[in-house]
Amino acid sequence: DGGITQSPKYLFRKEGQNVTLSCEQNLNHDAMYWYRQDPGQGLRLIYYSQIVNDFQKGDIAEGYSVSREKKESFPLTVTSAQKNPTAFYLCASSMNIATYEQYFGPGTRLTVT
Amino acid sequence: KQEVTQIPAALSVPEGENLVLNCSFTDSAIYNLQWFRQDPGKGLTSLLLIQSSQREQTSGRLNASLDKSSGRSTLYIAASQPGDSATYLCAGLNTGFQKLVFGTGTRLLVSP
Repeated sequence: DGGITQSPKYLFRKEGQNVTLSCEQNLNHDAMYWYRQDPGQGLRLIYYSQIVNDFQKGDIAEGYSVSREKKESFPLTVTSAQKNPTAFYLCASSMNIATYEQYFGPGTRLTVT
Repeated sequence: KQEVTQIPAALSVPEGENLVLNCSFTDSAIYNLQWFRQDPGKGLTSLLLIQSSQREQTSGRLNASLDKSSGRSTLYIAASQPGDSATYLCAGLNTGFQKLVFGTGTRLLVSP
């Protein structure tokens, strides 16, 4: 089955620790995205990548880092510099340059205490 | 800066009703628009995509329209069912950019 997978579904970390969230897609999509979702707010873009070995900051990139070494993978690291890391994190991808239609993974809920 | 507003924030209806969800943009320069469904604790499922040359799209009981001149989109759900209960999000892609801007969603509850 083609799709986007995110792991783990739930993640718990102590304050001050870095944590990496996984995102993999087998849709052969060029572009991948990371969003953060908080209660009562719309999705906010953290980072996006249009092509392997290239990525751009989104609206709330501070305290986060990414890499894009393979087309299929776009891991997100939440660093200790992120002041409010507890949130629901969603990964997405898109291929169709004409439409930019985005497809989403199931999400990872990160809780930092 | 593009901002997206969805009205109402929450909606509760009995099964069988037809209903309309609204989405408006502060900047009407929209390239395309997507409507998504999100179940609690889950990712987003794409429902409909209205491309730049289109004004509406239909899928089953769902119909979405886009009026670029006014910066508004509506999602029409016919003959609502309890399984339609979810949060519905609209998102627009501005001309010249490659980022979606999301609304905060409408939480729909359809009672049997």
